[in-house]
Amino acid sequence: QVQLQESGPGLVKPSETLSLTCTVSGGSITSPNYYWSWIRQPPGKGLEWIGTIYYTGSTYYNPSLKSPVTISVDTSKNQFSLKLASVTGADTAVYFCARVAWWNSAGGSFEIWGQGTMLTVSS
Amino acid sequence: EIVLTQSPGTLSLSPGERATLSCRATQSVRSNFLAWYQQRPGQAPRLLLYGASTRTTGIPDRFSGSGSGTDFTLTISRLEPEDFAVYYCHQYGNSPQTFGQGTKVDIK
Repeated sequence: QVQLQESGPGLVKPSETLSLTCTVSGGSITSPNYYWSWIRQPPGKGLEWIGTIYYTGSTYYNPSLKSPVTISVDTSKNQFSLKLASVTGADTAVYFCARVAWWNSAGGSFEIWGQGTMLTVSS
Repeated sequence: EIVLTQSPGTLSLSPGERATLSCRATQSVRSNFLAWYQQRPGQAPRLLLYGASTRTTGIPDRFSGSGSGTDFTLTISRLEPEDFAVYYCHQYGNSPQTFGQGTKVDIK
């Protein structure tokens, strides 16, 4: 059974770069059927799609995000990562990684989720 | 970008009752690429339905979805205690994909 697990620092200072990693277990990140995504949820609020990556390195980002975003994949470690630059308090949220079963060029439903990791931006 | 508006914000019902949740889009969702998720407190969202009406493996048949274009509905035929949670709709037919703000189903 495929499982996803996020990891990160928990606390980041304003203007710094946020870095999170999602480790995939129970299956290969190079499986041709799947795409891999990051979604976040500010405390007490709704969900926001950040971006998606395919194992070949193709990426899709949400243009509505204010902070520059980079998603990368490390197939040797079965991981993918998120970097969010110049963070502000508005980036404080629970960050989820998720697997997408089928990508239709605009998006896909998130069928498996990690448990989420809380990231706080504060000095 | 497509904005999804869910109504009502909160639905107060008793176990055994029927829940009807609405999701309305500001423009037509391509190919009815609309999903519904359930989120319990402190947990990650769980995919219930995709393609507006197809249940994910393991989701009970008391959950059903309908609708097309700009208007979609999630129906829970008879609420079980574990169904009291927040529900989100999500469109993935138009970039960027977006979520509704959620409907909380709580115990009356």
